[in-house]
Amino acid sequence: RKEVEQDPGPFNVPEGATVAFNCTYSNSASQSFFWYRQDCRKEPKLLMSVYSSGNEDGRFTAQLNRASQYISLLIRDSKLSDSATYLCVVPNSNSGYALNFGKGTSLLVTP
Amino acid sequence: DTAVSQTPKYLVTQMGNDKSIKCEQNLGHDTMYWYKQDSKKFLKIMFSYNNKELIINETVPNRFSPKSPDKAHLNLHINSLELGDSAVYFCASSRTSGDTQYFGPGTRLTVL
Repeated sequence: RKEVEQDPGPFNVPEGATVAFNCTYSNSASQSFFWYRQDCRKEPKLLMSVYSSGNEDGRFTAQLNRASQYISLLIRDSKLSDSATYLCVVPNSNSGYALNFGKGTSLLVTP
Repeated sequence: DTAVSQTPKYLVTQMGNDKSIKCEQNLGHDTMYWYKQDSKKFLKIMFSYNNKELIINETVPNRFSPKSPDKAHLNLHINSLELGDSAVYFCASSRTSGDTQYFGPGTRLTVL
């Protein structure tokens, strides 16, 4: 299993839809996880940290399943401004210093 | 106030040249990183420094040399640039290693 794997998409959804992304990881010892958002030609920005079973922030919910080693990100009531690439991030199994970034899942929200 | 800044934002140069990218963070963080994002958008760690000491050095050609004069700065020098070096280079910092990372705006390097 790769360090971090994500479905690249693209996910094309209409405004108001609910969309979910999954991410699987190989480092079973990982304790902290992150979802970053990257807009076109911009830097990645932290969306959510996930330290326990899950985290919710407004329309965004991240869930962690340690047994199956996957993390999900749920976006409710999608907005046009949610269009971006969502990066799943997991600590590197060889070094706790590094974070491994998934290749990202592309989301396009359409009117 | 920019938390993590990089200069230059764009860099266009010829093969074989030597160039440097500078990074500064004003967050008081201990750890800084350099990432490369290629044309396929994959973000890959290159180096990491913790309190001016190198802690991560991934498989990167030795034409790439990071330098950290103090913990707020991590510069990247690239010798003998090649076409394959064309990418966006992101600097990042975190409070401590493994913590949430904050990224600079990126430097888009094009080697002709």
